[in-house]
Amino acid sequence: AQKITQTQPGMFVQEKEAVTLDCTYDTSDQSYGLFWYKQPSSGEMIFLIYQGSYDEQNATEGRYSLNFQKARKSANLVISASQLGDSAMYFCAMREGLGGYNKLIFGAGTRLAVHP
Amino acid sequence: EAGVAQSPRYKIIEKRQSVAFWCNPISGHATLYWYQQILGQGPKLLIQFQNNGVVDDSQLPKDRFSAERLKGVDSTLKIQPAKLEDSAVYLCASSLEAFLGEQYFGPGTRLTVT
Repeated sequence: AQKITQTQPGMFVQEKEAVTLDCTYDTSDQSYGLFWYKQPSSGEMIFLIYQGSYDEQNATEGRYSLNFQKARKSANLVISASQLGDSAMYFCAMREGLGGYNKLIFGAGTRLAVHP
Repeated sequence: EAGVAQSPRYKIIEKRQSVAFWCNPISGHATLYWYQQILGQGPKLLIQFQNNGVVDDSQLPKDRFSAERLKGVDSTLKIQPAKLEDSAVYLCASSLEAFLGEQYFGPGTRLTVT
């Protein structure tokens, strides 16, 4: 069964506007973590933001925020004031459980294009 | 602080040949991961080391893939013999902690099998 679902293969946004990238997840664990990574054309995965399942506040990191809706099992990434350098692939990932090793399960990704 | 280093960046081989990839994690990071990323998909964990011991290799095709981390620092991933479906980017990552913590990724090795 798909653990992480990213339903948007591609998105585009105008520079300086905000964009939301969708992510839903499936787990029966009470304790888990959700991550977003950016992968530019150069190939490396760049960590953006993390949300723990017990965190009551939505995570924010600069222009990135994570809209965490636990009951709906969604963890959408919001990028505010988009920049041309934000054009990249974006991956949502989940780490399940405590006590288990730090294994990430990734979604298929969303390609974001920022237009001037 | 130096990041995760990988080499080579690109490799083209013919099917049935062998290939090896090298990874040097961030200094002090005990946990090292190898991921396979097929075009159009997210990375998939192949193997995870804690120091020089394997803690998860459940998705490693052990009939053709092998990996080692002899001194608990750098690691090599080998494919022998390669198949067409092994064409992918192989990403190495490391983290300070085994159970929690952010994973830092290297630039990856793009393998093309012809």
